[in-house]
Amino acid sequence: DQQVKQNSPSLSVQEGRISILNCDYTNSMFDYFLWYKKYPAEGPTFLISISSIKDKNEDGRFTVFLNKSAKHLSLHIVPSQPGDSAVYFCAAGVLNFGNEKLTFGTGTRLTIIP
Amino acid sequence: KAGVTQTPRYLIKTRGQQVTLSCSPISGHRSVSWYQQTPGQGLQFLFEYFSETQRNKGNFPGRFSGRQFSNSRSEMNVSTLELGDSALYLCASSFGLPGNTIYFGEGSWLTVV
Repeated sequence: DQQVKQNSPSLSVQEGRISILNCDYTNSMFDYFLWYKKYPAEGPTFLISISSIKDKNEDGRFTVFLNKSAKHLSLHIVPSQPGDSAVYFCAAGVLNFGNEKLTFGTGTRLTIIP
Repeated sequence: KAGVTQTPRYLIKTRGQQVTLSCSPISGHRSVSWYQQTPGQGLQFLFEYFSETQRNKGNFPGRFSGRQFSNSRSEMNVSTLELGDSALYLCASSFGLPGNTIYFGEGSWLTVV
């Protein structure tokens, strides 16, 4: 049972344009969401997070939007740069003490075309 | 500040053997989690330790075990290795409080032949 889904295995975007990565979840207990970026042979690197009390969080070129009613979140990267080419994972968790477990999606491979 | 350090980075084992992987968390972090990444399965949560106690456990068989030491360093062990255990094993650390960012190491690549 895939509780966190990234339905697009891959995405290609031209340099300078907006990249939009999507993620859906089914478990209504999730109230904390994160995006990680991963290069081959490296561990995931934290990008940005959002808790369910907000519907938007922004950090530089990265913005995460959360639609709780639709159980959907998205990561926007503007403008996209070649160094953004990587696999992006959406992860979800529960903000209770003792709940460090994250449930990950299967990832979306983003390719930025120069 | 040093990141999460995992050793060894790469190893090859034979079916039926056992393996121990090590993780040193970021200084001050008390929570260490382990994840398995295989192609097509994404990252699967194995278990999490906080102050030497297992706090959370994923859906893996008992062949997968772990422990945490008083200095927060952690080890995970896989006994009776199977071909399907070939994967990237990732360790992650955090302060262990709600909402703390979880930081990952570079992983240990295990190949079972």
